[in-house]
Amino acid sequence: AQSVTQLGSHVSVSEGALVLLRCNYSSSVPPYLFWYVQYPNQGLQLLLKYTSAATLVKGINGFEAEFKKSETSFHLTKPSAHMSDAAEYFCAVSEKSFQKLVFGTGTRLLVSP
Amino acid sequence: DTAVSQTPKYLVTQMGNDKSIKCEQNLGHDTMYWYKQDSKKFLKIMFSYNNKELIINETVPNRFSPKSPDKAHLNLHINSLELGDSAVYFCASSQDIGTNYNEQFFGPGTRLTVL
Repeated sequence: AQSVTQLGSHVSVSEGALVLLRCNYSSSVPPYLFWYVQYPNQGLQLLLKYTSAATLVKGINGFEAEFKKSETSFHLTKPSAHMSDAAEYFCAVSEKSFQKLVFGTGTRLLVSP
Repeated sequence: DTAVSQTPKYLVTQMGNDKSIKCEQNLGHDTMYWYKQDSKKFLKIMFSYNNKELIINETVPNRFSPKSPDKAHLNLHINSLELGDSAVYFCASSQDIGTNYNEQFFGPGTRLTVL
């Protein structure tokens, strides 16, 4: 069975600081990996995805993530946080042939001035 | 606008009632999903339909019954509502399973409150 672990339910950074949100996955087959963002009272928006192409994936809003098979990780980073980045971030895993997304428990990103 | 839409956005009801949530997508996708997000923000898939056929049915009480009249619509009917059903329900859609990746597009959610 697939699973995702997101370390840290809350991450606080200052505006302009590096953002690092951690995600580790477990999968018996090569996975697809995703990061979604949820702004307050809204649905989920895809930030980026890994689908077995380049291991460094660039997404929207300046975010990127690196797939590291040896560490079973897919951490999300952004060099410089902006106030508008404050939201809930979800890492998710899916098998290639079966479109069921398994989500982590989410990490709330707080950005202070 | 092309999107996944859900109605209603908010639903407040009494225990024991029966209610439905509707979902429509005009993205031309073949697969639709229902997810439940609980009060701790945990998201879990409930159902998935591909071309009107049920393909994923997680451990969900029989009180929940999805219905797909066509591949652009996936409705969720809930019988005998319980307090624990209070959550935000998200509909999503994606292209057919045969594609190389399976990006899912989510609706805005329906916040269900059972009193």
